[in-house]
Parts: sequence; C-alpha cells; structure tokens
Amino acid sequence: QLQLQESGSGLVKPSQTLSLTCTVSNGSISSRGYAWSWIRQPPGKGLEWVGYIFHSGSIYYNPSLKSRLTISADRSKNHFSLQLSSVTAADTAVYYCARAADGDFFDSWGQGTLVTVSS
Amino acid sequence: QSALTQPASVSGSPGQSITISCTGTSSDVGNYDLVSWYRQHPGRAPQLILYEVTERPSGVSHRLSGSKSGNTASLTISGLQAEDEADYYCCSFVGSGVVFGGGTKLTVL
Repeated sequence: QLQLQESGSGLVKPSQTLSLTCTVSNGSISSRGYAWSWIRQPPGKGLEWVGYIFHSGSIYYNPSLKSRLTISADRSKNHFSLQLSSVTAADTAVYYCARAADGDFFDSWGQGTLVTVSS
Repeated sequence: QSALTQPASVSGSPGQSITISCTGTSSDVGNYDLVSWYRQHPGRAPQLILYEVTERPSGVSHRLSGSKSGNTASLTISGLQAEDEADYYCCSFVGSGVVFGGGTKLTVL
C-alpha cells in the first residue's frame, strides 16, 4: 500500500521560508498518471490546495500562493518538496502531502504535519 | 479560483438520509465531471469517499452516493450511522489545479 510521510521544520519564523519534504514508499513518484500534491489546513479551518507536480515534471500552483511557492521532486530519492517563502502567521497549518490521480482526486494522503509560524 | 460553497453544517438521525451540496461555477463544477468528496474525522487526514462525481473507491460504503446538476454537486448519505459524523469536503478540478469547498460538519443526532 502506498505510504506518504511529511517531514520538515514544525516552527518557522515570520518572513522566513517554510520547507517540507514528502517521502513516498511502496510506490514511485515517476509513475504515469499521478500528481504529487501539497494541501494545507489552518487550525479549525478547511482544506486548501497548495500545488502539485506531475510525473512529467509539469507543476501547478494555487494562484494565491504562486509568487511564494516552489514545488520540486527528487526521483532518485523518491520524494517531493515544498518551499514557501516570506511566511506569516496565516501560513500556520497542517500540511498534507497526497497523490492525485490525473491531478483530479486525492487517493492517498500522508498523516499531515503541523507547521507553526511564530517568532 | 474561489472556494466552492458548502453548508457549514448538516444533521440527521440514525437511519435517515442527508444531502450535502457543493456549489461552484461554470469554470469548475459546471465544466468538469471531476468532483470528488472527502471525509475527515477529527485529528485525522482526509479520506477519499467519491470521485468523478459518482464513483466510489474500493471499500467505501454503498450508502454514499454522488450526483451533479449544473454548477452544483451533491453527496448523499443514506442510513446514517454514528460513524458518519465527520467533516466533509468537496473538490473540483479547474483545469490547472483543483479547488476545495469550505467543508460541512455532519452531526448524527
């Protein structure tokens, strides 16, 4: 069964860069037909799609985050990453990584990791 | 892209049926038969329960069903059970990504 596991800093200072990695097990990020995704959820609030990277290397970002966002993949390590720059308290959230079939629906999720932006 | 509109809360008694609506626009829900639904229990990751409007992943109860008309998609849960109490989110493909609904809290009375 596919497994995804987020890792990275749980505390980031305002104006700095948030960095997370999602390691994929029992599956390959090079598999055709999937997009490797980031989704976040502020405490007590709903889900927000952040962006994803397809097996082909095509990348799509949430327009509201695009100017601060970088998503990349390392196929040799079978993981993909998120960098969000110039963070503020509004970026405090549980960040999930997930697999999207055809960039359409999310059929496998990581457990999520809480990132707090605070000085 | 703006979030899809869902009711903040719905409730029902065990055995009853409930429907959660998800309203978008002609650029998202109305333009693609690519609406998915997720269930999230407190402190847990979301779980896919429907995709492509009506399709159920393996292992998901037949009590859950989906439909779409125009710019509005719907999730219906029949024969409500205590385990159905959770938050529910819809999601639509928008061509260059996806957009989620604001979420609906389902309470089983």
